[in-house]
Amino acid sequence: KAGVTQTPRYLIKTRGQQVTLSCSPISGHRSVSWYQQTPGQGLQFLFEYFSETQRNKGNFPGRFSGRQFSNSRSEMNVSTLELGDSALYLCASSSTSGANNEQFFGPGTRLTVL
Amino acid sequence: AQSVAQPEDQVNVAEGNPLTVKCTYSVSGNPYLFWYVQYPNRGLQFLLKYITGDNLVKGSYGFEAEFNKSQTSFHLKKPSALVSDSALYFCAAPNNLFFGTGTRLTVIP
Repeated sequence: KAGVTQTPRYLIKTRGQQVTLSCSPISGHRSVSWYQQTPGQGLQFLFEYFSETQRNKGNFPGRFSGRQFSNSRSEMNVSTLELGDSALYLCASSSTSGANNEQFFGPGTRLTVL
Repeated sequence: AQSVAQPEDQVNVAEGNPLTVKCTYSVSGNPYLFWYVQYPNRGLQFLLKYITGDNLVKGSYGFEAEFNKSQTSFHLKKPSALVSDSALYFCAAPNNLFFGTGTRLTVIP
């Protein structure tokens, strides 16, 4: 079974631009979560989607948004990029949206904002 | 507020020695707790989880973790460290909404 895939793997943008990241979960998984990983902050939860509905949302500004499609694939969009948005963005999937479910992570998209 | 904390940014241990990576939590309700490992240039991998039952949880690659309710801790342990265990370790809970800041484990040959 193929793992979680994320595209693109690397992105370089300038301040003020917007970016869209894509995530394809493991086949059969309906829950997709997004995280931002930075050296000083560790992993911070962005949001979770389950069956095309946002189930949970982290403490990020409205510039960060996401959506999930009927095939469970998910996209994350960041508008008006800031230097501080430079990070590794990780997508994770799980079979359901339960508190006791482990997640399966993709390799991440490394975003650099200049 | 709910959170998990990893008090040590870095842990060094000699190969063959036991290792411990610490995690404490502050959550309401059932403390579903997880450990993940991140190898260089790779995504996070699930190691083990505590849901309920035995306080000692066994996971992948010979790792285990001890849940201690009175100390609100969930420390990751391994009896004998391998050089290949060198990686970044994250504690998480609950619903995987809260992650610690990570502990970099270095096993010295």
